[in-house]
Amino acid sequence: EPEVTQTPSHQVTQMGQEVILRCVPISNHLYFYWYRQILGQKVEFLVSFYNNEISEKSEIFDDQFSVERPDGSNFTLKIRSTKLEDSAMYFCASSTGTDTGELFFGEGSRLTVL
Amino acid sequence: GNSVTQMEGPVTLSEEAFLTINCTYTATGYPSLFWYVQYPGEGLQLLLKATKADDKGSNKGFEATYRKETTSFHLEKGSVQVSDSAVYFCALRGNFGNEKLTFGTGTRLTIIP
Repeated sequence: EPEVTQTPSHQVTQMGQEVILRCVPISNHLYFYWYRQILGQKVEFLVSFYNNEISEKSEIFDDQFSVERPDGSNFTLKIRSTKLEDSAMYFCASSTGTDTGELFFGEGSRLTVL
Repeated sequence: GNSVTQMEGPVTLSEEAFLTINCTYTATGYPSLFWYVQYPGEGLQLLLKATKADDKGSNKGFEATYRKETTSFHLEKGSVQVSDSAVYFCALRGNFGNEKLTFGTGTRLTIIP
């Protein structure tokens, strides 16, 4: 069964460093998303992406964040200068784009900022 | 905007007990409704969904009915098992274009033998 894959599964970084989280969405999906979950808290929307541009972003997704689909398969989330409060599990998701379609999630990348 | 209000946890039940996790929503139009489950150490998996009023989603013995009159999508299971221990998230997705999923806060369920 097709699945969304994410790398790395866990990354530890120093505050102020740049981090790139990678995702390979399901191949025939057209819409891509990043969510995050701070430990023990709710799953929060960060950004959605379609047709090589951002469709929607939340207040969390400030200038420190960016997304890119560099090669038609990978979908990356970059955090330019990490802060302690960026420590979270980051989930990538994709969907076909049908109005009632579900989102398929990856297993997440845990980011720890020291 | 869209929002989901979910029963606060944690919930602890004995094996074979009846489970209800309440979920209500606020949305414009006619959203699709979902329950996602997160097992310990794993990602989010779709448990069930319903796309229009009075639809019943079901999977693995869990059920939820889309009730437009009460704007609810409560999750139920008649007899829970230890393996059902997980965090359950109610979510909705609007039907305008390709909107994002909006999640509830999650309910941690622990089943004791």
